[in-house]
Amino acid sequence: DQQVKQNSPSLSVQEGRISILNCDYTNSMFDYFLWYKKYPAEGPTFLISISSIKDKNEDGRFTVFLNKSAKHLSLHIVPSQPGDSAVYFCAASARNTGNQFYFGTGTSLTVIP
Amino acid sequence: EPEVTQTPSHQVTQMGQEVILRCVPISNHLYFYWYRQILGQKVEFLVSFYNNEISEKSEIFDDQFSVERPDGSNFTLKIRSTKLEDSAMYFCASSEVRHTGGGYTFGSGTRLTVV
Repeated sequence: DQQVKQNSPSLSVQEGRISILNCDYTNSMFDYFLWYKKYPAEGPTFLISISSIKDKNEDGRFTVFLNKSAKHLSLHIVPSQPGDSAVYFCAASARNTGNQFYFGTGTSLTVIP
Repeated sequence: EPEVTQTPSHQVTQMGQEVILRCVPISNHLYFYWYRQILGQKVEFLVSFYNNEISEKSEIFDDQFSVERPDGSNFTLKIRSTKLEDSAMYFCASSEVRHTGGGYTFGSGTRLTVV
């Protein structure tokens, strides 16, 4: 049961431009959404989160947008840097069903210098 | 910066053998987790552990799997009789609180290859 979907397996962006990574979910009970970044041979690293009571959260170059009616969230990286090249996972959890996170399959971002 | 440590980084085992994957969570964290990622697929929840007992587990976490916190620092995942389909990257994670918008801290993973 794929409750969290990332439909783009890969994305290439020029350095300095905006990267937009998308994520869709099906469970309306999800109340926390996170983005993780993963480099090869490393574990996922927490990047940014948003709770369902907000529609935007910003941290430096990273902004996450949440559209609850569309069950869609996106991660914007601006400006993109070569060091941002990694796999980005969207994850979601629902407080009333425990604290496990449901992950998407990831989007591999390549930032071209 | 505190980190979650996993050993070994790569484990090769024969089908039917038992394996133990080891993790040292962050010292002041109270909640511990195991996730796995089969190559090319999503990261999947296996189990969460709190106060010396399992608090949640997924359908994947069947009788072949067990977890233990044998002392104050280690957190282990045991697979009793490995199958080919157990080949995956296994990630340990820990967190300070139960439901956190700050996410977990993940280890670097153990790549398990069952042959």
